[in-house]
Amino acid sequence: DVKVTQSSRYLVKRTGEKVFLECVQDMDHENMFWYRQDPGLGLRLIYFSYDVKMKEKGDIPEGYSVSREKKERFSLILESASTNQTSMYLCASSTGLAGLSGANVLTFGAGSRLTVL
Amino acid sequence: LAKTTQPISMDSYEGQEVNITCSHNNIATNDYITWYQQFPSQGPRFIIQGYKTKVTNEVASLFIPADRKSSTLSLPRVSLSDTAVYYCLVARPQAGTALIFGKGTTLSVSS
Repeated sequence: DVKVTQSSRYLVKRTGEKVFLECVQDMDHENMFWYRQDPGLGLRLIYFSYDVKMKEKGDIPEGYSVSREKKERFSLILESASTNQTSMYLCASSTGLAGLSGANVLTFGAGSRLTVL
Repeated sequence: LAKTTQPISMDSYEGQEVNITCSHNNIATNDYITWYQQFPSQGPRFIIQGYKTKVTNEVASLFIPADRKSSTLSLPRVSLSDTAVYYCLVARPQAGTALIFGKGTTLSVSS
């Protein structure tokens, strides 16, 4: 029944390492999103994508990049991890069209907790 | 994008009805209102969505006045397991829309 799968639940990386967070959805959704969540700051949008190879910056894109080569897969990349990127990362997907499943209703993955030492 | 404002926190007791109001003064004509619930260490999950008037499902009710500048999530007879953060989000039903969350409301239910 799992619909949005994030590849790693917990990761520990070193400062300066390149980090890949993978997300796969099986609902044929057009939209995919990456958020990070920190205590007291709520959910903040990093990047989103509305089609293959298309991406848009969210509120906090600095230090991150994304890749969407296939409709079902959306990757978040930390080119050179820093300690201030220690956080919970949440991937989500939605269909933009109003319909039986709702209008732009997000389905989230379980999250990836990244610690950068 | 419509900005949303919710109370930071609310307290309740088991068995009470809880109403959480969200303000979205600059909601656009095509925008829908969606509420999510989030437990610690989990992603948010969908509770209810509406466009106008009243929507009810097995979990909650959503009340939206005619001017649509606010909405109220109503949780009937809460239990300890309803302790969570609740977010309202306003967005239009089209691809390419940034879905921005506010800070949410932390609901604490006590026995």
